[in-house]
Amino acid sequence: VQLVQSGGGVVQPGRSLRLSCAASGFAFGDHAMHWVRQTPGKGLEWVGLISYEGGDVFYADYVKGRFTISRDNSENTLHLQMNDLRPEDTAVYYCAREVIIIISAFDYWGQGALVTVSS
Amino acid sequence: DIQMTQSPSSLSASVGDRVTITCRASQSISTYLNWYQQKPGKAPKLLIYAASTLQSGVPSRFSGSGSGTDFTLTINGLQPEDFATYYCQQKYSMYTFGQGTKLEIK
Repeated sequence: VQLVQSGGGVVQPGRSLRLSCAASGFAFGDHAMHWVRQTPGKGLEWVGLISYEGGDVFYADYVKGRFTISRDNSENTLHLQMNDLRPEDTAVYYCAREVIIIISAFDYWGQGALVTVSS
Repeated sequence: DIQMTQSPSSLSASVGDRVTITCRASQSISTYLNWYQQKPGKAPKLLIYAASTLQSGVPSRFSGSGSGTDFTLTINGLQPEDFATYYCQQKYSMYTFGQGTKLEIK
């Protein structure tokens, strides 16, 4: 199982950035996928999830209306489109695979992508 | 929103020690609780799910317990590779992580 992320970088406030997460080694279309971010000040924060087929998407309140999660099961790829970025969105962003073993957990994670929002 | 509070925030211990980390939920979450280990510059790693079930491949010196609002992660016989930061995470209502407990070498 591998989740390989791409797309991080430095962006000015108000601008947009798109992160991608390429999955391999498992049946991507069988798993819900999540985005989690990590900042020195707030630790780990859940950003959102997309169901296995992409029909259901949920977001944390602090990104709702600005971030969009999508997936392409034919390409085994997950995306996070981030619009109207704010300095407080500066973080390392991880994609994570959900597995349901008694309860939902994140059993595989990408390597992380640093997003810096600064003028 | 459900808040998760870990204690202590940091902990110093020696190889071979037994350590316990506590996680408290702001409301009852049954056993909808996972534990992760994170080393510097790396992604978190799933250790325990559903409060007490060891993830495949995780050494048996790790154990978890608790239900409702109070949970513990115990490491029996610390090994050098165990010095890391540990996070609890609830999955009762969406997802929330604790602030982390940094385990350092004494």
